[in-house]
Amino acid sequence: RKEVEQDPGPFNVPEGATVAFNCTYSNSASQSFFWYRQDCRKEPKLLMSVYSSGNEDGRFTAQLNRASQYISLLIRDSKLSDSATYLCVVGLGGNKLTFGTGTQLKVEL
Amino acid sequence: NAGVMQNPRHLVRRRGQEARLRCSPMKGHSHVYWYRQLPEEGLKFMVYLQKENIIDESGMPKERFSAEFPKEGPSILRIQQVVRGDSAAYFCASSSQGRLTTYEQYFGPGTRLTVT
Repeated sequence: RKEVEQDPGPFNVPEGATVAFNCTYSNSASQSFFWYRQDCRKEPKLLMSVYSSGNEDGRFTAQLNRASQYISLLIRDSKLSDSATYLCVVGLGGNKLTFGTGTQLKVEL
Repeated sequence: NAGVMQNPRHLVRRRGQEARLRCSPMKGHSHVYWYRQLPEEGLKFMVYLQKENIIDESGMPKERFSAEFPKEGPSILRIQQVVRGDSAAYFCASSSQGRLTTYEQYFGPGTRLTVT
């Protein structure tokens, strides 16, 4: 079983749609959780940290369920510029991050 | 530019040569991480360093790879006697947090190594 699992997609959605990504992690001792976005052949960019209470940043909402070892990202009112690969990232502690292979999103006109 | 800087952005080496990749962390950050991304794969942790110390090198291949972060100057990832399988994007990240908890890491633009 992979340490961090994501549906690779692609998710093809029309502009303005709401789309949700899920991620599961295997190590119950994981301490920190993030969503990054990666555009083709570029560096990952931090989108948001994920907290147990859930957090929201504009059109983006992240949720964490520690009991189920499950993380989600919701994007509302999708824009063309949201097209990218979304990486679920888990930290065990000691600053070592484990990346999922990413979910590809394509927002279309 | 206060972001993480990496150079060179592209590096071509022939099999058997050495590759040196450099990383300057974001201003105010003293923790550096190296990750490798093979084609069509996710990022894999290689090594975590602080100034003059290797904290965690559990992701480093046992041979040919080494990393340092000297008191002065950038962090260096060194690959000796490169092979075609070393062709990948190498990303450096930095953070401001200490060892005990994971803090947000910010990535540089990467070095794309091609071994011919």
